[in-house]
Amino acid sequence: ETGVTQSPTHLIKTRGQQVTLRCSSQSGHNTVSWYQQALGQGPQFIFQYYREEENGRGNFPPRFSGLQFPNYSSELNVNALELDDSALYLCASSLPSESFEQYFGPGTRLTVT
Amino acid sequence: RKEVEQDPGPFNVPEGATVAFNCTYSNSASQSFFWYRQDCRKEPKLLMSVYSSGNEDGRFTAQLNRASQYISLLIRDSKLSDSATYLCVVNLPTGTASKLTFGTGTRLQVTL
Repeated sequence: ETGVTQSPTHLIKTRGQQVTLRCSSQSGHNTVSWYQQALGQGPQFIFQYYREEENGRGNFPPRFSGLQFPNYSSELNVNALELDDSALYLCASSLPSESFEQYFGPGTRLTVT
Repeated sequence: RKEVEQDPGPFNVPEGATVAFNCTYSNSASQSFFWYRQDCRKEPKLLMSVYSSGNEDGRFTAQLNRASQYISLLIRDSKLSDSATYLCVVNLPTGTASKLTFGTGTRLQVTL
């Protein structure tokens, strides 16, 4: 196990609602990245947090936002949910080292109806 | 053109076979390269990093050709437990961030 935890494991929401997903990083890892994985696709980078600041963002609209806390845990917030937001949301933690190896949590499966 | 391209498969091979996966990436500024393994409805798990000199971990061998922007993974003596999706992953630093870009994955099914 990587030591990265995510909650909840599954979630069902309706269109237009808002959702918050949570992630606790591996001990000592100060960088957290969020990814969205649609069925049959590879994970897509949403954004990364380092020392409580957004440190890079993928091609996702502003209704996807996040936070990182002093203990390096993180939240992903999605407003105005759309059907296409249904996916597996993965959190990965890492150290800002040259190797950039990232370790993933088990994910939160979000279904938007 | 996709940033990371892989053959989606599936590759169906008998136990004991050798199987090779290939991957190409489009951005020559990419700095780090990985293979991840993902089981059905689970999270991706780091299988191995890939270096220009090539690296081996037991039955798994990874190669990187920066000139051709090509990455490969060779699995020897396939086991049933190797059945999974193999994701080719490239790190493209953007400022101080490390953005992993994933291919769509190649599905491997090892059979008796």
